[in-house]
Amino acid sequence: GQNIDQPTEMTATEGAIVQINCTYQTSGFNGLFWYQQHAGEAPTFLSYNVLDGLEEKGRFSSFLSRSKGYSYLLLKELQMKDSASYLCAATDSNYQLIWGAGTKLIIKP
Amino acid sequence: EADIYQTPRYLVIGTGKKITLECSQTMGHDKMYWYQQDPGMELHLIHYSYGVNSTEKGDLSSESTVSRIRTEHFPLTLESARPSHTSQYLCASSATGRDTGELFFGEGSRLTVL
Repeated sequence: GQNIDQPTEMTATEGAIVQINCTYQTSGFNGLFWYQQHAGEAPTFLSYNVLDGLEEKGRFSSFLSRSKGYSYLLLKELQMKDSASYLCAATDSNYQLIWGAGTKLIIKP
Repeated sequence: EADIYQTPRYLVIGTGKKITLECSQTMGHDKMYWYQQDPGMELHLIHYSYGVNSTEKGDLSSESTVSRIRTEHFPLTLESARPSHTSQYLCASSATGRDTGELFFGEGSRLTVL
């Protein structure tokens, strides 16, 4: 079957760094996406990886290892506004998105 | 900024009523999607479309229908609402091609069925 696994909840301190891991199993693979979703709002796109390696975008970076079926989202210099759920999603051979349940990130002062 | 709009934003209705949730996008995207999401839970795909006159069922499609007569419009209809339909409904669209997984979401329609 197809599935995405990520931790349910993580806590970090303002100004620190946090890494949110994601493992995936899909029939075929055409890319790994990270989305941010604040409570009560719709998800917004953060990053896309299709090749192995690190993609950096400001305070956020995303890493992919295709051979391991593994990705992580790295958030640096955490701010209170980063408190949100972070959704990992992979596209399968039909370019359908398979979604994880999301990791709720709690930032403490 | 994404240009995808959903109406109504909030709706409270009685059991057995027929409702249509509207979704429109002005980005010219071929692909459109309807998701259902309960608080703190994952997204569940209800229906999707790859273009005009194309509609496909997702995981939770059995109690709803969609149509795609125009590229920009993708309404979702519940023929007979039940309390189990209480949830948030998210419409999304994406371009065709490499970045097809980059979805643009509407603000959602929060439905309560009494």
